[in-house]
Amino acid sequence: DQQVKQNSPSLSVQEGRISILNCDYTNSMFDYFLWYKKYPAEGPTFLISISSIKDKNEDGRFTVFLNKSAKHLSLHIVPSQPGDSAVYFCAASGGFNKFYFGSGTKLNVKP
Amino acid sequence: DTAVSQTPKYLVTQMGNDKSIKCEQNLGHDTMYWYKQDSKKFLKIMFSYNNKELIINETVPNRFSPKSPDKAHLNLHINSLELGDSAVYFCASSQGLSAAFFGQGTRLTVV
Repeated sequence: DQQVKQNSPSLSVQEGRISILNCDYTNSMFDYFLWYKKYPAEGPTFLISISSIKDKNEDGRFTVFLNKSAKHLSLHIVPSQPGDSAVYFCAASGGFNKFYFGSGTKLNVKP
Repeated sequence: DTAVSQTPKYLVTQMGNDKSIKCEQNLGHDTMYWYKQDSKKFLKIMFSYNNKELIINETVPNRFSPKSPDKAHLNLHINSLELGDSAVYFCASSQGLSAAFFGQGTRLTVV
């Protein structure tokens, strides 16, 4: 019973366009959400986070949107660059230092 | 000057052996974790230590035993290795409930 789901295993986008990665969760107690980026043979790297008191958080080209009623969050990358090609993990926490991760979406940004 | 470092990066061993994976963080974080990434690519938490105290212990076989000699180290010892233990194991650390920083992972292959 995965509490965090990323239903798209892969996404291909042209350089310069917007990449939208989606994530759904089932536990309404989750109040902190994160996105991680992972290159092959490396550990996940923290990208951006959002707490449940907000519905949007922006950091440069990266914006995370949170829709609590739909239990859905998304990561927008604009403009997408070839260096953004990686696996993106969504994670959620309801406290107690316990993070639940999705299975990841592999983003390929084509030059 | 790696923030979270784990050794070894690759580990190939026979069934029934006992092995250890070491992890060290130099970020001054108070919480450390072990995660397992299985064949379906899900990252699942195994253990979490806060100031050397075990705070999360997921449903993990007793053959897995974490040891935290101090706040900066969290080692994972695995007894009687089984084929199903083959996975990538990630160590991570965080300060309180902030985003976790991950090590590069240890790919364990049990033959």
